[in-house]
Amino acid sequence: QVQLQESGPGLLKPSETLSLTCTFSGGSISHYYWSWIRQPPGKGLEWIGFIQNTGKNDYNPSLKSRVTISLDTSKNQFSLSLTSLSAADTAAYYCAASGYNSGWFDHWGQGTLVIVSS
Amino acid sequence: DIQMTQSPSSLSASVGDRVTITCRASQSINNYLNWYQQKPGKAPKFLMFAVSNLESGVPSRFSGSGSGTDFTLTISSLQPEDFATYYCQQNYITPYTFGQGTKLDIK
Repeated sequence: QVQLQESGPGLLKPSETLSLTCTFSGGSISHYYWSWIRQPPGKGLEWIGFIQNTGKNDYNPSLKSRVTISLDTSKNQFSLSLTSLSAADTAAYYCAASGYNSGWFDHWGQGTLVIVSS
Repeated sequence: DIQMTQSPSSLSASVGDRVTITCRASQSINNYLNWYQQKPGKAPKFLMFAVSNLESGVPSRFSGSGSGTDFTLTISSLQPEDFATYYCQQNYITPYTFGQGTKLDIK
């Protein structure tokens, strides 16, 4: 059973860069696509992007200019970098796994709340 | 991007009721439609893939139907643990997109 756990800072200032890490266990890295999804308080879900075990990425065009998702296979981790933060980036950030190329998210981390405020 | 629109946005029902939530895509997505359940303060839980296929462990009172642009999630007999927010999601093409959610609460 795949388990995921996010880690990273909870409070950042506008214009700073968000860096989150997701540590996974219980699954083979090659069997999944690894995604980040966010949810502003009281609002719906937004897919940010994914990385495959090959290192290939796909990003949401709405965030593409500010997002990088990377993978560290030696540590069983993947990471999210989001630059030029604003208050609109305040959200719960979830890491999630999709069975290889399935496109649905069958495993989720518990989420981490990121607040962007001066 | 494909827009996903759910209706209603909120719904009040009682234990034992049968409820149906609708999800409409802005273009045809064939059967690339999935459903999630989210409770307050928790991560979404994966319920169903490809319109009508239940994830392992999901009770059979949940069912899905539809094709093309119009889809439904039905709960045949509501249980107390079913009161939550439900989201549809398309995986026809990236960027993957979700509906805005349907909040199901106790009448």
